[in-house]
Amino acid sequence: GAVVSQHPSRVICKSGTSVKIECRSLDFQATTMFWYRQFPKQSLMLMATSNEGSKATYEQGVEKDKFLINHASLTLSTLTVTSAHPEDSSFYICSARVQDSGNTIYFGEGSWLTVV
Amino acid sequence: ELKVEQNPLFLSMQEGKNYTIYCNYSTTSDRLYWYRQDPGKSLESLFVLLSNGAVKQEGRLMASLDTKARLSTLHITAAVHDLSATYFCAVDKQGGSEKLVFGKGTKLTVNP
Repeated sequence: GAVVSQHPSRVICKSGTSVKIECRSLDFQATTMFWYRQFPKQSLMLMATSNEGSKATYEQGVEKDKFLINHASLTLSTLTVTSAHPEDSSFYICSARVQDSGNTIYFGEGSWLTVV
Repeated sequence: ELKVEQNPLFLSMQEGKNYTIYCNYSTTSDRLYWYRQDPGKSLESLFVLLSNGAVKQEGRLMASLDTKARLSTLHITAAVHDLSATYFCAVDKQGGSEKLVFGKGTKLTVNP
C-alpha cells in the first residue's frame, strides 16, 4: 500500500483563488519531504524541500510567496498555491524517504490541479 | 549543475524482444533511482542503485550503475504489453540529499 499519501487527487479552482494540497507520510515520520511538479508529458521538476518545524527551501526560479509550504508535523506537509493562474495547472507530487526502506524514495499519488 | 539525460525518449517494441534504456548524468553521484509512471498516475519505485557496479533485477527488468562512466541502464528482457509505461531515471542532487533530478523519461510501448 501507499506509504506517502496526497489529497486531493484532483482539484479545480478559479483563477485568483488559493488551493491547498496535503502530503502525509503513513506509518512513518518524515522530517523532510519534497514537492515536485510535472507538466503534461514532461518530466518532474523539484520545487522545494519541506522541513519539519522550519522554513521550506525553494529551488531556483520557484516563487516562495506563491507556493507556500508548511510542515507542521512529522507526518504532514502542505503546499498552498496562492492566487492561482491557469499556468499553475499541473501535476503536483510529494516525496519522502522511509528511513529503513533501503533508501527508497516514495512518491505520493499526486494531485492534479486545474486552474480555470 | 546536474543534468540527467535519458535515451531513447520514445521506444516502441514488440513483445518478446529485448531492449535497453540509457541514463547518463553529468556530475558525480552514487545514488540513482528508476521509476515507472503509468498515464495519469504517480511514480512507482523500481530500483535504487547505490554503488558502482550495482545490479538489481526484478522480473523482466534489470538495472545497473557505472558511477565512473556516470551511466545507468535499464534492460528489458522479453518485453510484455504490461511493461508499457514511461520510465524515469533520477539522480540524487547531492549524495544523500533526497533531492532528485529526473531525466525526461522514456515512453515505452510494447506491441503484441
